[in-house]
Amino acid sequence: QKEVEQNSGPLSVPEGAIASLNCTYSDRVSQSFFWYRQYSGKSPELIMSIYSNGDKEDGRFTAQLNKASQYVSLLIRDSQPSDSATYLCAVGGRASGTYKYIFGTGTRLKVLA
Amino acid sequence: KAGVTQTPRYLIKTRGQQVTLSCSPISGHRSVSWYQQTPGQGLQFLFEYFSETQRNKGNFPGRFSGRQFSNSRSEMNVSTLELGDSALYLCASSSGGQGKVTDTQYFGPGTRLTVL
Repeated sequence: QKEVEQNSGPLSVPEGAIASLNCTYSDRVSQSFFWYRQYSGKSPELIMSIYSNGDKEDGRFTAQLNKASQYVSLLIRDSQPSDSATYLCAVGGRASGTYKYIFGTGTRLKVLA
Repeated sequence: KAGVTQTPRYLIKTRGQQVTLSCSPISGHRSVSWYQQTPGQGLQFLFEYFSETQRNKGNFPGRFSGRQFSNSRSEMNVSTLELGDSALYLCASSSGGQGKVTDTQYFGPGTRLTVL
């Protein structure tokens, strides 16, 4: 079982719709959760971080965390063609005495104009 | 604040050669992590340096090594290059507070390495 799992996609949504990206993780003691956006040929760019159960909103983006279900999601409202990218979920936690970040393989999002 | 910088941005090498990549973290950040990204494997963790010491290590062969200097700048070295080492090498910096939940990694632009 992968430590951080994401559906590879592509997830296709029409312009203006809500895009919902999901991520599950295996380590129950994980403490920090991040969403990065990566355009083709570019490096990952931090979009959101979330540490507590519930929702966190930043502009058109909402991150949702449910530690009991080991599930974190990213909602993108009013999706734009410029949102077309790969979205990486990252989970941070202490393992073997050190703090580590584990990345999912990413979900490719396509927003259709 | 200036972001994470990496040099060079592109490299072409041949099998058997060695290569050194450089990363300068965000000012004040003491942790530097290196990742290899390939289309098939995604983002794979190589190692992390904090205060000139390797603090974490991924599952890569000993051909991959790194170091960190007193100014937090880091270098990564790959010896005896293989075709499969062709990848985007990413450096990420963070403040590095041990176990600090809010510690966040910020990525540099990456170095695209092609091995022929």
